[in-house]
Amino acid sequence: EAAVTQSPRNKVTVTGGNVTLSCRQTNSHNYMYWYRQDTGHGLRLIHYSYGAGNLQIGDVPDGYKATRTTQEDFFLLLELASPSQTSLYFCASSGDWGAFSYEQYFGPGTRLTVL
Amino acid sequence: GEQVEQRPPHLSVREGDSAIIICTYTDSATAYFSWYKQEAGAGLQLLMSVLSNVDRKEEQGLTVLLNKKDKRLSLNLTAAHPGDSAVYFCAVSGRVVGQLTFGSGTRLQVYA
Repeated sequence: EAAVTQSPRNKVTVTGGNVTLSCRQTNSHNYMYWYRQDTGHGLRLIHYSYGAGNLQIGDVPDGYKATRTTQEDFFLLLELASPSQTSLYFCASSGDWGAFSYEQYFGPGTRLTVL
Repeated sequence: GEQVEQRPPHLSVREGDSAIIICTYTDSATAYFSWYKQEAGAGLQLLMSVLSNVDRKEEQGLTVLLNKKDKRLSLNLTAAHPGDSAVYFCAVSGRVVGQLTFGSGTRLQVYA
């Protein structure tokens, strides 16, 4: 069974605070993703990676950094958090893209509140 | 880039009735189409997916229809039951390898 875990599950910080969200997958997948989910917007891609040390910019990258330290671990960094970054964050992983490998496996999400 | 519109945002149906959710997309190069289900407090799980060479796919009470001419994708839950209550998302992929573009979601409530 594919497994993606996220920590913390809930986080409250203040404006200007420094936050790191962690994601680990044990699927041996090359691709990992960070999304934010907001009512009325669905899921929007922040950053993604196709291997350790690789980083690709998604659709809403402003205010976020990410780092992929190993095949298993992908981190999302908010160095100066703002209230507009209050959201539900999901990590996902997928295998190499091809005719039969587009499925993404999602973690349970991290709810971030920036006061 | 790809734009995906999903409707309706909310859908309430009686148990045993069908529920239809529709997505429209803009990029004619879109080649992969999928539907995800999100239950309360959980991440998304893949329900069904099709490639662009498939017009219709049925599995376990679900039907996915793809109309490439109109750039429209639909999900039909036939004989919905309360366990189907969740948020449903379409997700498509085309030109950019490794990326899915999601619809805004449909909150489905099935009442007895």
